Amino acid sequence: DGGITQSPKYLFRKEGQNVTLSCEQNLNHDAMYWYRQDPGQGLRLIYYSQIVNDFQKGDIAEGYSVSREKKESFPLTVTSAQKNPTAFYLCASSNGFGYEQYFGPGTRLTVT
Amino acid sequence: QKEVEQNSGPLSVPEGAIASLNCTYSDRGSQSFFWYRQYSGKSPELIMFIYSNGDKEDGRFTAQLNKASQYVSLLIRDSQPSDSATYLCAVNMSGTGGFKTIFGAGTRLFVKA
Repeated sequence: DGGITQSPKYLFRKEGQNVTLSCEQNLNHDAMYWYRQDPGQGLRLIYYSQIVNDFQKGDIAEGYSVSREKKESFPLTVTSAQKNPTAFYLCASSNGFGYEQYFGPGTRLTVT
Repeated sequence: QKEVEQNSGPLSVPEGAIASLNCTYSDRGSQSFFWYRQYSGKSPELIMFIYSNGDKEDGRFTAQLNKASQYVSLLIRDSQPSDSATYLCAVNMSGTGGFKTIFGAGTRLFVKA
């Protein structure tokens, strides 16, 4: 079964803690993306990677970090510097940058 | 500022009717256009993509693209209650480092049984 997995589905953290969200794909896609979605709003791009060992900042990268050491994996770390981290985080991948994207099930992060 | 605009809705249609969802975009050079369906609490699911002017049909769904008017639409024929969801329009727009996909905020569709 090909697809994108994200874990965990729900994550609760205290303010001031860093947290890492997992994203794995077995679609053999080169490009991977992280988005944030807040209630009633569209998707906002945090980071994207077109190829292994390379990634670029999106529109709202402050307070986030990523790595792309393997083609299948693109973890996102939400650092304590992120002012308002509570949101629904979505990982996506595509067969080449700019092609149609396929999304994982998402991780809902709550920071209190 | 590159933008993708959608009416937030809700758009309410009776079961069996045609639902028409509209999207406008700001970058005249955009080449690729996508429609996603997102059920409440779930992640977006790709429905269709379209690259050329005109219509593209897939089952009950038809995407329509008019690049001169910078307008893309999604028609859902024979709407079903299960089609009730938020529909996101996405457009690839030029930017630093190449094209970037910009998502609209979505239109909520409600199909009444």
